Amino acid sequence: DAKTTQPPSMDCAEGRAANLPCNHSTISGNEYVYWYRQIHSQGPQYIIHGLKNNETNEMASLIITEDRKSSTLILPHATLRDTAVYYCIVRVGDTGRRALTFGSGTRLQVQP
Amino acid sequence: DTGVSQDPRHKITKRGQNVTFRCDPISEHNRLYWYRQTLGQGPEFLTYFQNEAQLEKSRLLSDRFSAERPKGSFSTLEIQRTEQGDSAMYLCASSLARDSRTEAFFGQGTRLTVV
Repeated sequence: DAKTTQPPSMDCAEGRAANLPCNHSTISGNEYVYWYRQIHSQGPQYIIHGLKNNETNEMASLIITEDRKSSTLILPHATLRDTAVYYCIVRVGDTGRRALTFGSGTRLQVQP
Repeated sequence: DTGVSQDPRHKITKRGQNVTFRCDPISEHNRLYWYRQTLGQGPEFLTYFQNEAQLEKSRLLSDRFSAERPKGSFSTLEIQRTEQGDSAMYLCASSLARDSRTEAFFGQGTRLTVV
């Protein structure tokens, strides 16, 4: 799986959009970008994933650059409950075996 | 609740003792994963089952660790002769294979402290 690079920490004001970047310059054509988050003392939670088109769901939006070498997770209106560690993971969609490879993630602190 | 369930949530054991953790995945999920997470780090993959077959094991899974999923439903992770370095959060996840939507659902984890 391609390696990802994320900033170790970010702050965001409550009610504002949180934009979390991820670099994956070695991504292959069949690799998806997945985002998970982990709130303190809980298991990771799936947020969203995409291949090359931008994606949106009830939790977030995922913007993938045209060359697919980077992406941004957008939480449109961050709340205090969005304070968590956010993991960007790149992997082949379904090889039938491959587990997720987590890095250190970005610790997002939403400030009141 | 139909999420992934792990038991116990917390376990304190003395060095050298054996411990066993249980994971109940989401009922229709055929894939089950075990991960280990130490403080300040992301989860690290340990092992993976598809139905009852253990298809992949990480190099992190020493011979003191064994995992089973006897009927393709719940799974157990046993650690024999625990060491202080085994202290960590042990996470279980499950997923259902269907084209690219293989997002994994995680349990709350079992926090192991070896004293």
